[in-house]
Amino acid sequence: GAGVSQSPSNKVTEKGKDVELRCDPISGHTALYWYRQSLGQGLEFLIYFQGNSAPDKSGLPSDRFSAERTGGSVSTLTIQRTQQEDSAVYLCASSRHRDEAFFGQGTRLTVV
Amino acid sequence: KQEVTQIPAALSVPEGENLVLNCSFTDSAIYNLQWFRQDPGKGLTSLLLIQSSQREQTSGRLNASLDKSSGRSTLYIAASQPGDSATYLCAVPSTYNNNDMRFGAGTRLTVKP
Repeated sequence: GAGVSQSPSNKVTEKGKDVELRCDPISGHTALYWYRQSLGQGLEFLIYFQGNSAPDKSGLPSDRFSAERTGGSVSTLTIQRTQQEDSAVYLCASSRHRDEAFFGQGTRLTVV
Repeated sequence: KQEVTQIPAALSVPEGENLVLNCSFTDSAIYNLQWFRQDPGKGLTSLLLIQSSQREQTSGRLNASLDKSSGRSTLYIAASQPGDSATYLCAVPSTYNNNDMRFGAGTRLTVKP
């Protein structure tokens, strides 16, 4: 596609439920990043994929968070047993290796 | 651990002024630095990417410079317009071997008509 696509754009879920957020990177981009932005805050790094290398998971805040990238393309961020503090905008970006990164429009997650 | 600081946190200027936004980072072993803008409720838009071998990049009214040895970058905006109002973010890799970007907290710019 022309840009990074994220779905859904908005998600409201009940506390304790699991959610899956999807990111479709730009075709040919080997690097994919997930960030979280809470209201009025900066970008918090979550996880980074580069080609076939092991992902850098150092930013995941707890073991309730996990992410996969299948076939080096689409990525899914899963949050299990959601809590109210998980409410935020989840942003995905992709790039060629060591090149300009492009962001999607984000998924706004609200846990009620 | 790479830490990125942006000064000022907020800036308000009248239309037409030239302005400079600052970004500093603690680990100078980077291979690039990227500037973004974020409009309220939106994702990030890439403005400029500077490779470590470059000292500056220009795009229209924007000029970004990079002084890797001192751990600093500046974003210069010429003849500011109300449409430039947004939050400006700089990002650098966490280490030389990684491409995961670490962000500053941003500068919130308001350009008054």
